[in-house]
Amino acid sequence: DTAVSQTPKYLVTQMGNDKSIKCEQNLGHDTMYWYKQDSKKFLKIMFSYNNKELIINETVPNRFSPKSPDKAHLNLHINSLELGDSAVYFCASSQEILSGANVLTFGAGSRLTVL
Amino acid sequence: QKEVEQDPGPLSVPEGAIVSLNCTYSNSAFQYFMWYRQYSRKGPELLMYTYSSGNKEDGRFTAQVDKSSKYISLFIRDSQPSDSATYLCAILPSGGYNKLIFGAGTRLAVHP
Repeated sequence: DTAVSQTPKYLVTQMGNDKSIKCEQNLGHDTMYWYKQDSKKFLKIMFSYNNKELIINETVPNRFSPKSPDKAHLNLHINSLELGDSAVYFCASSQEILSGANVLTFGAGSRLTVL
Repeated sequence: QKEVEQDPGPLSVPEGAIVSLNCTYSNSAFQYFMWYRQYSRKGPELLMYTYSSGNKEDGRFTAQVDKSSKYISLFIRDSQPSDSATYLCAILPSGGYNKLIFGAGTRLAVHP
């Protein structure tokens, strides 16, 4: 059973298009995250939701809009895609939002290529 | 200065070698230290988790934290080809939100 699953795994699209990535976790966790991993493998947090509430919102262009319909799902919608958006986007979840003994479980990633 | 510095490698070692992977961090407020392993085309998975200074061992893996030097290490004994992956250190401050800060990752190749 996959703990954190993301779809699609691969996404190739043209500049200017809008695309969405979906994430679901079956771990019963309260908190979910989006991380971006660039071509140099640098992994950086974008957003975090705790029980459907946006808690962490890093300096991300407002073309990126996360949505959490319930605590098991977190989607990422990207408008007007740019070349620099090409990256691997990872969804993750943890038991709760507060720092401490809070292990992140990651999905397999969604590789976005903008042409 | 980045909050976490990690040499990206690549590091290539023969099977059976002892591997040492290292990170330095800048802020003494960081209290939790983790190592994640990421295989190619997969998500990172937690390998080791430490809170205090000192060593923590799990099978062939030992995580070491030196808070006075702001230096963390991961040692892999008797390295195997299956250990070939990217190893990411990650740190977390005490208190506040669970906002992991990752190093750039070190790519390790263990050849038979």
